[in-house]
Amino acid sequence: QVQLQESGPGLVKPSETLSLTCTVSGVSMNDYYWTWIRQTPGKGLEWIGYVYYSGYTMYNPSVKSRVTISIDTSKSQFSLRLTSVTTEDTAVYYCVRYVVDVLAGFDFWGRGTLVTVSS
Amino acid sequence: EFVLTQSPATLSLSPGERAILSCRASQSIDSYLAWFQQKPGQPPRLLIYEASIRATDVPARFSGSGSGTDFTLTISSLEPEDFAVYYCQQRRYLFTFGPGTRVEIK
Repeated sequence: QVQLQESGPGLVKPSETLSLTCTVSGVSMNDYYWTWIRQTPGKGLEWIGYVYYSGYTMYNPSVKSRVTISIDTSKSQFSLRLTSVTTEDTAVYYCVRYVVDVLAGFDFWGRGTLVTVSS
Repeated sequence: EFVLTQSPATLSLSPGERAILSCRASQSIDSYLAWFQQKPGQPPRLLIYEASIRATDVPARFSGSGSGTDFTLTISSLEPEDFAVYYCQQRRYLFTFGPGTRVEIK
């Protein structure tokens, strides 16, 4: 079955770079959009951006200047890089598959990883 | 600025009762709306997409309706496992989520 697993540091210092990786299993990465979504008690669920298997990306304007999402299909992984973090970036980060077929939706989610921004 | 609003914020009901959750978009989003269920410590689970189509393995007691700016998620008869937070999400203007409706046991 399709599984996604986030990995990366749980603590990042302010002004530094947050880096997370998502490992995908049970499915080829081809033909899907691989997405990062975060969740905070204050702002709720926020779409950060996605990368298509071809490498095409799209980002939320609210973070566009600080974010890079990349993909390595040979390793079945995609990654999030968020620079110049502040305490506002403290959140649970989910990696998610977005399917666009006859219908479209965020159909498979990782379990999420809490990233805290603190000195 | 595009906004999704959900009402009520909290719905207190008993098992067996019907739940009706509302989601309103600040601009028309056609039928590009999904609903998710989230339980504590778990990621959101896709229930409905394109406003009214149940995702795989979603029980028939969940149904979605609406188009344009007004949408509804109905749970026909609440089961104990249905008490959770529900979010709507649109994909007409990039992607945004509503703030959620908590369905709690009365």
